[in-house]
Amino acid sequence: GIQVEQSPPDLILQEGANSTLRCNFSDSVNNLQWFHQNPWGQLINLFYIPSGTKQNGRLSATTVATERYSLLYISSSQTTDSGVYFCAVVETSGSRLTFGEGTQLTVNP
Amino acid sequence: GAVVSQHPSWVICKSGTSVKIECRSLDFQATTMFWYRQFPKQSLMLMATSNEGSKATYEQGVEKDKFLINHASLTLSTLTVTSAHPEDSSFYICSARPLQTQYFGPGTRLLVL
Repeated sequence: GIQVEQSPPDLILQEGANSTLRCNFSDSVNNLQWFHQNPWGQLINLFYIPSGTKQNGRLSATTVATERYSLLYISSSQTTDSGVYFCAVVETSGSRLTFGEGTQLTVNP
Repeated sequence: GAVVSQHPSWVICKSGTSVKIECRSLDFQATTMFWYRQFPKQSLMLMATSNEGSKATYEQGVEKDKFLINHASLTLSTLTVTSAHPEDSSFYICSARPLQTQYFGPGTRLLVL
């Protein structure tokens, strides 16, 4: 099956800093989503972005499907941004959403 | 976005008992729902795909007789952990994909003593 690798595994920032999270995938996809898992475990949808660039407030994402990677940008980070960020994909030949291992983000005040 | 609910949010049970978890799509119909399991500090792993009116499809290594799935209506899927043991303690999350975007329920924390 498809492999999804996220980097870095852990990231510690000071409030106000910017960051970039990366997601590499091993095969062509027709669905790519970024999620934020909050401390209570709820997965919050950030972006549906199988290709192209999207922005939502302080967050933006870019997926370059031909090169099999996606980036999530967080600007002016806040303590409430802390949690685990997951990238998940559906390969073109499949139907199941496969998750990467996540990036644990900690934003300190 | 679409809303998926789960009940209960947490459950503690004795070893050997069965536990049922409900997953509902609140504002859309879902012919397919997905059940994931997440252990502490790990990612989400797909356990099974629930299909309305037919048998669920289980991922390799998931015991279908232990994790019973029923998808009896277009808005409700249930996961029953039968004869639960401490190693079944985990965070169970259901999900549905009404169009292209997949939405997740709030999860159920199961602790088996």
